[in-house]
Amino acid sequence: DTGVSQNPRHKITKRGQNVTFRCDPISEHNRLYWYRQTLGQGPEFLTYFQNEAQLEKSRLLSDRFSAERPKGSFSTLEIQRTEQGDSAMYLCASRPTGGVTEAFFGQGTRLTVV
Amino acid sequence: AQSVAQPEDQVNVAEGNPLTVKCTYSVSGNPYLFWYVQYPNRGLQFLLKYITGDNLVKGSYGFEAEFNKSQTSFHLKKPSALVSDSALYFCAVSPRGDKIIFGKGTRLHILP
Repeated sequence: DTGVSQNPRHKITKRGQNVTFRCDPISEHNRLYWYRQTLGQGPEFLTYFQNEAQLEKSRLLSDRFSAERPKGSFSTLEIQRTEQGDSAMYLCASRPTGGVTEAFFGQGTRLTVV
Repeated sequence: AQSVAQPEDQVNVAEGNPLTVKCTYSVSGNPYLFWYVQYPNRGLQFLLKYITGDNLVKGSYGFEAEFNKSQTSFHLKKPSALVSDSALYFCAVSPRGDKIIFGKGTRLHILP
């Protein structure tokens, strides 16, 4: 499968714990995006990378959230000291440089904080 | 501020009738515009895009969209709706091809 892969698909964690999600983009795609989606709402932009450089980070992203793409390939999104309000679907997408093409989305990681 | 508006939370259409899902945007410059569809428990699937050129663009599953620069709109259309078109539809804009901003979505119900 050469699509965008996200792991895990589901994560249940206790409030206050740290969680980390992984995204493997389509191999030749330089740009990688993270979004958060709550039930019935549109994807909310969190951050994006051009290769290993983090080009933009949403103001909505508190300092408990951090994302990395160390070698310009896969990316991780970490949430520290999780809160119930962090419960959502976390989506990853990738796209070739240039931006004239669409982004390709993974299936997402559903986080439930109890 | 850059934004996308989908004014209808839900649209109901009888099977076989034409459908329209509305989208307006607010960005500077010439944006790239997209429509995505999401089925339950699935990721977002690309339907179509406008980058430049002809204002009417055609996409997957018989959908099309019309770009109107003066009205800053990019409405999604289909001549004849199918029950299987029932899903959540998202309009998105990408200013200068950078980050992609999504609308809140419109739930489309096609009634048999």
